[in-house]
Parts: sequence; structure tokens; C-alpha cells
Amino acid sequence: NAGVTQTPKFQVLKTGQSMTLQCAQDMNHEYMSWYRQDPGMGLRLIHYSVGAGITDQGEVPNGYNVSRSTTEDFPLRLLSAAPSQTSVYFCASSYSSGTSGSRFHEQFFGPGTRLTVL
Amino acid sequence: GNSVTQMEGPVTLSEEAFLTINCTYTATGYPSLFWYVQYPGEGLQLLLKATKADDKGSNKGFEATYRKETTSFHLEKGSVQVSDSAVYFCALVPRSGYSTLTFGKGTMLLVSP
Repeated sequence: NAGVTQTPKFQVLKTGQSMTLQCAQDMNHEYMSWYRQDPGMGLRLIHYSVGAGITDQGEVPNGYNVSRSTTEDFPLRLLSAAPSQTSVYFCASSYSSGTSGSRFHEQFFGPGTRLTVL
Repeated sequence: GNSVTQMEGPVTLSEEAFLTINCTYTATGYPSLFWYVQYPGEGLQLLLKATKADDKGSNKGFEATYRKETTSFHLEKGSVQVSDSAVYFCALVPRSGYSTLTFGKGTMLLVSP
């Protein structure tokens, strides 16, 4: 299994450009998420999906769109890039584990995409 | 709401020193708790987890005990190595339904020879 893969690893955009960050997983996980990591801020949730065709907003969704047409793929779209979107982006997938009394969702992370918006 | 508070870094230690990174949480309900590690230039990897009170998660010499009475999940290691230099994130996920991880801001650990 490749696990969670992300492309590209690095990207430089100009303000106003659009692009799509790709994320794919081959573990048949139901749940997928996008986070951004900024210095001193930890990881903040952008959008997530609990299954194909179902997405929802996280903590910092503005400026980003997602869709989930298949279980495997969860692309993140920047429609009009802004310098405030300069960050490292991580995709994660997860499954539900444990018994009904101790169920939790262990998340697996991709290697990240480092995005710079000039 | 849910939140995780970690001690600020960087934590600077000499090799073979004892490590403690404090983590406390606020959550509705009864969350599961995690420590993730991020080595330079890489993504996050799950280091250890605990799903109920008094559970001790352990991996690679690291340990953390789920303390419900103090809402804490402190990370410890008896003897750190240079290769342990990384950023460590404490995180929680609520038990019921699906919800994503809530992370602390991370603590950088620097271990010198």
C-alpha cells in the first residue's frame, strides 16, 4: 500500500491563480481531511469528508473548495490564491477502530504540499 | 468546544536526558488522545494513543498515560536520543460519531549529542 499520497510536493503561485492539490489513499478509508500547518498554529482543519459525496467545513474553510467523488480521492481547490494561503497542506485519511465503548479514528497523514503564494 | 494545550518549545536536552512534554485538554465527552511526531520535512506519524482513562500508550520508548482526573496526557521518555529531535503534537478526537483531530500547537524537541 502507498498509504496517503499528495501531489505536488512544492508549488509556487501568484496571487489570483487557481490550483488543485491532489490527495489519494489506497486503504479504503471512509474519512478524509485537509489540514494546513502554519508556524506556531499547529494544524488547523480546512475541510473533511465522511464518505464519497459527503463533505463538510472545518475550522478554516474560506478560500478552499473540496469534493469527494470517489473513496480514494479528495482534492483541495484554491480558486483565487492569496498570500495568506502560504502554508504546508496535509491530507489525512482515517478509519474507525475499537469497540463501541472505545471507538476512535486513527488518522494517517500524507507527506504534505508546501505552497507559496506570491 | 475541544482544545489541546501543550507546553511551548523548543525543549532543548542533551542525549540520554529525561523528557516530559506536558499536554492538557478540554473536551465534551470522553475523547481519545494521541501523540503525533513530525520529523523535519515530513508529515505527521502517530506515535502513541490511549482511548480510555488510565490507559498507557507506549511506542519507541515514549509513554503517555490518560489521566481523566487532571485532563492530561503528558509525553515522557526516559533517555532521549538525537534522532528524537522533532515536533511533537498532542491531539484528541471525541468518541461519539465522526470528528476530526483537534491538535495542540506542537512542541519542538532538540536533542544535542
